[in-house]
Amino acid sequence: AQSVTQLGSHVSVSEGALVLLRCNYSSSVPPYLFWYVQYPNQGLQLLLKYTTGATLVKGINGFEAEFKKSETSFHLTKPSAHMSDAAEYFCAVTSNNNAGNMLTFGGGTRLMVKP
Amino acid sequence: EPEVTQTPSHQVTQMGQEVILRCVPISNHLYFYWYRQILGQKVEFLVSFYNNEISEKSEIFDDQFSVERPDGSNFTLKIRSTKLEDSAMYFCASRTGGSGNTIYFGEGSWLTVV
Repeated sequence: AQSVTQLGSHVSVSEGALVLLRCNYSSSVPPYLFWYVQYPNQGLQLLLKYTTGATLVKGINGFEAEFKKSETSFHLTKPSAHMSDAAEYFCAVTSNNNAGNMLTFGGGTRLMVKP
Repeated sequence: EPEVTQTPSHQVTQMGQEVILRCVPISNHLYFYWYRQILGQKVEFLVSFYNNEISEKSEIFDDQFSVERPDGSNFTLKIRSTKLEDSAMYFCASRTGGSGNTIYFGEGSWLTVV
């Protein structure tokens, strides 16, 4: 079974500050890892994903995440927060062994950006 | 850019009524999914559908739930007799073949059972 833990259900940063959203996963097989963002009253939009290859992946809107196998982590970062980044962020895991490739989601982290 | 579309965006129904949530996945996609998100909780997998049959389902997806792809474009989720606890946002999603490919989500259908 796979699982995802997102530490911190709410994170508040000032505009221009570093954004760090934490994600740890559990998987008995090599994972595929995803970050999705959900803006108010909208669906889930893919920010970035890791499947194989380079462990530092870059996504949309200036976000990036690094897959660290030794730490079973896939933390999401952005050097400088913008007001428009305020949203809920979900980390998710699946794997090649997963017949339907369905995603297991973490509980989400709501990012608030203060002016 | 192609997108997954869902209807209705919001539905209110009485307990015990049947509900059908509709989805049009991205046209060249092969795998189809339903997820749900109860208010304030995490997004949960319900069911995956491939090659005209269910490939995986969670324990949430009991006999009250069914899925269908009736005409090669629509993908529907039916809840036979709704309960209060079925109130949630239901997301349809789809992807192409191949492991690790991105799952694209629709904007969701809010279901409120009263």
